[in-house]
Formats: sequence, C-alpha cells, structure tokens
Amino acid sequence: GQQVMQIPQYQHVQEGEDFTTYCNSSTTLSNIQWYKQRPGGHPVFLIQLVKSGEVKKQKRLTFQFGEAKKNSSLHITATQTTDVGTYFCAGLHGSSNTGKLIFGQGTTLQVKP
Amino acid sequence: DTEVTQTPKHLVMGMTNKKSLKCEQHMGHRAMYWYKQKAKKPPELMFVYSYEKLSINESVPSRFSPECPNSSLLNLHLHALQPEDSALYLCASKLAPNTGELFFGEGSRLTVL
Repeated sequence: GQQVMQIPQYQHVQEGEDFTTYCNSSTTLSNIQWYKQRPGGHPVFLIQLVKSGEVKKQKRLTFQFGEAKKNSSLHITATQTTDVGTYFCAGLHGSSNTGKLIFGQGTTLQVKP
Repeated sequence: DTEVTQTPKHLVMGMTNKKSLKCEQHMGHRAMYWYKQKAKKPPELMFVYSYEKLSINESVPSRFSPECPNSSLLNLHLHALQPEDSALYLCASKLAPNTGELFFGEGSRLTVL
C-alpha cells in the first residue's frame, strides 16, 4: 500500500542545537503537509508544500519538498523547549481521488534546557 | 470560529455499554473525519464524510458506527467495544475532501474496561 516513511522516530537535542526530520514516499505526492502534536495535545497544522523543490520558512522552521515530489524535510534551527512535540508529515498521493492523507510515523523531539 | 469541538474529553466505558462521541465545527467545512490514535503512533483514519455522505470506511469494525446529522456535526456511536479500542479519538475537518489542511479537535480520550 501507499506509505510515507519518516525518520528518525526520536530525537533528543540540547537547547540551541538544530533538528531535522525527513519523510520519504515511494510514489509521487500531490502535496505534503506537516503537523505538530504537543505532548497531551492534538495535531496542529504547520504548513503545506505543493510545488516541486518548494522551500518555505516559518521563523526558525524550514520546510522543503523534493524535486521529484517524493520526499520532504522539516529543519528547526536553534531549538527551544517550546519545540518539544511530535512532528508528522502527511502526504497526498498523486493518484488519490479520495483526498486521503497518508501520515508518516512521526518524529518525537525532546529538547534539554 | 476556527475550532473543532469534541465532547466528551474523557470517557470510561464497559464492554457492554453504548456511548457516543460528538464533534462540531462551524467553519463551513464539507469534509469531516474520525481518526483513532494510540500512544506514540500517528492518527489512523477510520471514516470520512464528504458533503454529509460517508465516503471512506477504513474497514472499521461495526462496533464503531459513524453518523453525520448535518454539515456541522459528526458523531461516533460506540457499542460492545473491546479494551484494545482504548485510544484518543480525534475528529477533524477540512474545507473540502481534496482541498486544504486538517483542523483537529482536542480529541476524546476513551478507556474501555
């Protein structure tokens, strides 16, 4: 079936260090979305990428969509304790006619102050 | 109003009980979703309603019964659940099935004894 693989599963960093999570699909995606879920919370939408090679920034967060539209990354510069949570990518496959998003397994980020 | 409201926030039920989870949104979204989320896992799609019609049922057991009374409301009726059904049940909505991001509610934390 259609899958989106996400790595790493966990990442522990010292506050101020950078962090990156990667998503990879075996098939071309129409778009990819990123969500953040704080501990005990619910997923919250961060961003959507649609175009091949697209790069978007939100303050210390940089999102990239690969040229082949099969992979994506989220990079956080100089992490802060407020960045703690689980980051999910969710891809919409190009062949989908249902609008069903396929979620990656998530990367849980811990930040040591 | 950019909220998806879920009730109850917490529910404990026995295996012979019948209960319902409720979800409401007033954003004019025409796609509504039920997800199940286990600890340290991504949201797992259960049902999708598009324009008040059930469009996706991800082979969910019949002890879970969804209902969409109107474009703002979504219910999940629960009957004869098993302990392994204990999870966080998330409702979400989108502007339309193939458009936009998911807005998640805070979830209903279900414990089946």
